[in-house]
Amino acid sequence: EVQLVESGGGLVQPGRSLRLSCTTSGFTFRDYVMTWVRQAPGKGLEWVGFIRPKVSGETTEDAASLKGRFTMSRDDSKNIAYLQMNSLKTEDTGVYYCTTTVGSDGYEARLGSVWGQGTLVTVSS
Amino acid sequence: EIVLTQSPGALSLSPGERATLSCRASQSVYSNYLAWYQQKPGQAPRLLIYSASSRATGVPDRFSGSGSGTDFTLTISRLEPEDFAVYYCQQYGNSPLTFGGGTKVEIK
Repeated sequence: EVQLVESGGGLVQPGRSLRLSCTTSGFTFRDYVMTWVRQAPGKGLEWVGFIRPKVSGETTEDAASLKGRFTMSRDDSKNIAYLQMNSLKTEDTGVYYCTTTVGSDGYEARLGSVWGQGTLVTVSS
Repeated sequence: EIVLTQSPGALSLSPGERATLSCRASQSVYSNYLAWYQQKPGQAPRLLIYSASSRATGVPDRFSGSGSGTDFTLTISRLEPEDFAVYYCQQYGNSPLTFGGGTKVEIK
């Protein structure tokens, strides 16, 4: 069974950093795109970005609104994807999900067919 | 960046009725790479439709997607009690990927 489990969320002060982890199991992690999506309290979904597999250069794409504050990475030896969030702002508060689509390549790999339960990040002083 | 506008913002319907949700893009979606997701309170989203009209694995056939270019539609032919939720469209053909603002389907 494919499973994604996010961790690392919590309360953090504005301007500080936080690293989220997405621990995976049940599929060949190194072969797939890993995507991050967030949701502010009571609001809609917002795409954060994704990281391609090593075979595609481990390149990333992210939302322009983040202005380079967030960085995605992956550790294929541990089957974990990471989201490093720097210079956090109050508007970064929300639930952060990791997601992937196993068994697809090309553009469908960017979809979210399997999701974690999310981890809550609260940015407040 | 492609902006997706969903309408209506909310839809009040009864079980058994037909629901028609719209998603309009600010520019043409590359290869109609448009997806629909369902989200219930406290849960992660669930993929329903991809490539505008292909149902994801396990999705009941009462859900159908249509459209191309800039105008897309999600239709739920007969609403079941478990279908009352928020629905989001997403385009994944152009980076940055974007989501629409959502349509809430609520019980009348």
